[in-house]
Amino acid sequence: GQQLNQSPQSMFIQEGEDVSMNCTSSSIFNTWLWYKQDPGEGPVLLIALYKAGELTSNGRLTAQFGITRKDSFLNISASIPSDVGIYFCAGVLFKAAGNKLTFGGGTRVLVKP
Amino acid sequence: DVKVTQSSRYLVKRTGEKVFLECVQDMDHENMFWYRQDPGLGLRLIYFSYDVKMKEKGDIPEGYSVSREKKERFSLILESASTNQTSMYLCASSPRGDTQYFGPGTRLTVL
Repeated sequence: GQQLNQSPQSMFIQEGEDVSMNCTSSSIFNTWLWYKQDPGEGPVLLIALYKAGELTSNGRLTAQFGITRKDSFLNISASIPSDVGIYFCAGVLFKAAGNKLTFGGGTRVLVKP
Repeated sequence: DVKVTQSSRYLVKRTGEKVFLECVQDMDHENMFWYRQDPGLGLRLIYFSYDVKMKEKGDIPEGYSVSREKKERFSLILESASTNQTSMYLCASSPRGDTQYFGPGTRLTVL
């Protein structure tokens, strides 16, 4: 199925650094979601965005719903080792029956050796 | 807190066996979904349901069927398991028109 363009594909973080990732699409969405997935676990919802231009924070995480409704970014401030994992964006387009997600390919966050 | 549970975290089955994966949510959500996740292919939607006894095919329904007899329970059925169905299976639920919440996943190995 269709995927959103998520970048970067992977990144190395050093404790204390700020990190940023984004998703873009050629289609508009009604909702943008950001998830984190640890190895062997299901994705956990981090932030949900419902309005174009919306900026929402959840602790050290901040995400924005782009004005054009075709993009979103996620920032992590002052990263810590437990931020390691895979982050996925997802767009929701409301339909009459069910609301399927379109996923980004994921950003793998790793710790600098 | 939203709670989505899956019947098994790990499952090993033989080729040709019938396999049932169960998913239960406790938030009275209308919509429920089954995905599989494979390296390099991301999350792919198998089937979803927007109401009891209602189901719709996702992107990769071949080889799978589903059942939703009660609102809180959505079952994925592999009629005759094959090795290419070895994967991580993820269930999700959502209220009407909103965010999806995922279960912990079932890692299925078909030998």
